[in-house]
Amino acid sequence: DVKVTQSSRYLVKRTGEKVFLECVQDMDHENMFWYRQDPGLGLRLIYFSYDVKMKEKGDIPEGYSVSREKKERFSLILESASTNQTSMYLCASSLGSGGTVDTQYFGPGTRLTVL
Amino acid sequence: QQQVKQSPQSLIVQKGGISIINCAYENTAFDYFPWYQQFPGKGPALLIAIRPDVSEKKEGRFTISFNKSAKQFSLHIMDSQPGDSATYFCAASTENSGGYNKLIFGAGTRLAVHP
Repeated sequence: DVKVTQSSRYLVKRTGEKVFLECVQDMDHENMFWYRQDPGLGLRLIYFSYDVKMKEKGDIPEGYSVSREKKERFSLILESASTNQTSMYLCASSLGSGGTVDTQYFGPGTRLTVL
Repeated sequence: QQQVKQSPQSLIVQKGGISIINCAYENTAFDYFPWYQQFPGKGPALLIAIRPDVSEKKEGRFTISFNKSAKQFSLHIMDSQPGDSATYFCAASTENSGGYNKLIFGAGTRLAVHP
């Protein structure tokens, strides 16, 4: 079974802090994703990566950056956390099959609260 | 701009009844339509998916109906059970310039099946 783990289930930070959310997958997947989930808005893509050191902006990248130094690890960084970044953050990975859509496997999520 | 519109936002069904969740899309280039199921405290997981070359796909009690001309697709859960209580997300894929198919999610439907 594919396993996607996220470093924290719950996180509380203060406005202006730098926040790191870590995600690790154990299935040698090429693609990794960061989403935020908000009630009534569904899942919105922040950033994704289709290879080590490669990244692409999603639909809502403002205020976020990412890092992928190793294939299995994808980090989401909030350079200066703000209260409007309070949300559930979901990491996902997929095999990466060169142009065809493949299943995304999600981690359990990190609920971030910014005070 | 919401490219995939999902309704209803919440749904209550009695055990044994039929649950129906609807989605509509705008982009005629979409060519893959998955449904994800999310239980409380868990990340979403792929439930069932369809491509536009067929009008219906059935897996056990779950059926996707697809209407290409109306740009609509729906999830039907037959003989709904309390264990089906979860949030359901429809999604659609589009191919970006890099060749990767990015999923666009609907807002989600919270389903409660009462005994």
